[in-house]
Amino acid sequence: RKEVEQDPGPFNVPEGATVAFNCTYSNSASQSFFWYRQDCRKEPKLLMSVYSSGNEDGRFTAQLNRASQYISLLIRDSKLSDSATYLCVVNQGTGGFKTIFGAGTRLFVKA
Amino acid sequence: NAGVTQTPKFQVLKTGQSMTLQCAQDMNHNSMYWYRQDPGMGLRLIYYSASEGTTDKGEVPNGYNVSRLNKREFSLRLESAAPSQTSVYFCASTFSGGANNEQFFGPGTRLTVL
Repeated sequence: RKEVEQDPGPFNVPEGATVAFNCTYSNSASQSFFWYRQDCRKEPKLLMSVYSSGNEDGRFTAQLNRASQYISLLIRDSKLSDSATYLCVVNQGTGGFKTIFGAGTRLFVKA
Repeated sequence: NAGVTQTPKFQVLKTGQSMTLQCAQDMNHNSMYWYRQDPGMGLRLIYYSASEGTTDKGEVPNGYNVSRLNKREFSLRLESAAPSQTSVYFCASTFSGGANNEQFFGPGTRLTVL
């Protein structure tokens, strides 16, 4: 079983749609959680951290459920520019050296 | 600020050849990392350097060596390239190794080993 699992997709949605991605992690002692975005043939960039209470950044909402070891990302009012791969990232230790990246979920937003 | 830079951007090697991937950051970060990314898999940590003067193995260190030349630079060396090392290599840095620190990535090196 992979330590961080994501549905690879692709998700194909029209502009304006709401789309949700899920991620599960296996290590219950994981400390911190993130969503990164990776455009085609580019480097990953931090989209947002994920906090236990849930957090929102504009059209993006992240949720964490520690009991179920589950992280989600909700994108509202999808834009063409949201087309990318979204990486679920889990830090298993107190340092960045135990950061585990999911394989990513691909999103295509169509006009 | 250039952020994290990597050279070269592309490289083709023959099996058995050696090469060094270069990485530099200008953000005064203490910790630096080398990852590889293969289709269908997440980024996997090869080596990391928590601070200048230290290096440690990550998840997939076999076939690689690293040097933390100074605070800015962290290089990755393939002594005898193998086709299994065909991948995209990313260098990253963080201010410190703390769990909540954002990792900043370079643009990647696309390596093909024939």
